[in-house]
Amino acid sequence: GESVGLHLPTLSVQEGDNSIINCAYSNSASDYFIWYKQESGKGPQFIIDIRSNMDKRQGQRVTVLLNKTVKHLSLQIAATQPGDSAVYFCAENYYGNNRLAFGKGNQVVVIP
Amino acid sequence: EPEVTQTPSHQVTQMGQEVILRCVPISNHLYFYWYRQILGQKVEFLVSFYNNEISEKSEIFDDQFSVERPDGSNFTLKIRSTKLEDSAMYFCASRGDAGNQPQHFGDGTRLSIL
Repeated sequence: GESVGLHLPTLSVQEGDNSIINCAYSNSASDYFIWYKQESGKGPQFIIDIRSNMDKRQGQRVTVLLNKTVKHLSLQIAATQPGDSAVYFCAENYYGNNRLAFGKGNQVVVIP
Repeated sequence: EPEVTQTPSHQVTQMGQEVILRCVPISNHLYFYWYRQILGQKVEFLVSFYNNEISEKSEIFDDQFSVERPDGSNFTLKIRSTKLEDSAMYFCASRGDAGNQPQHFGDGTRLSIL
């Protein structure tokens, strides 16, 4: 079945440093991946997405890397700020399927 | 920036009662979803809705659940006879109709069953 999981439950990072959040997925049919940020009391907020025909995509201060060989996804946040403190979820999907399969989430705590 | 809005933000209901959770998806979106998140757990898919019908539902979405798009803007989730284990955050999401597009989520309704 579909399964998306995160390696580290909590990541503490100094303000200004870079953060890396990892995610493993098990469904080799997945061809679309999304990172969401969830702040306390709010819904998942879209950060960045990537399709399986790419291995890297950059946004503003964020980069997503996709390694289909080992079914691994990562989110890099450059110059982490206090506002980046949140839970980060990866989610996967495949064309023709409606549901997003979410991982458990990874708490990022930014230390000022 | 357009956003998905959900009401109420918090709903407290007695076990066995019916509850309706409301959502206004982003106006030009065509695909609508409900997810739930039990406290401390991951977000779980419930149902997707397109062209006025359910396109997919999970094993969680049993006969107690139903969805409706009563007009051109609202999308509702009804739980007919609530159980204690229905207590969770319920998120509505929507997306546009252009291949792979991200789903955009509302801030959820916290449902507490007593």
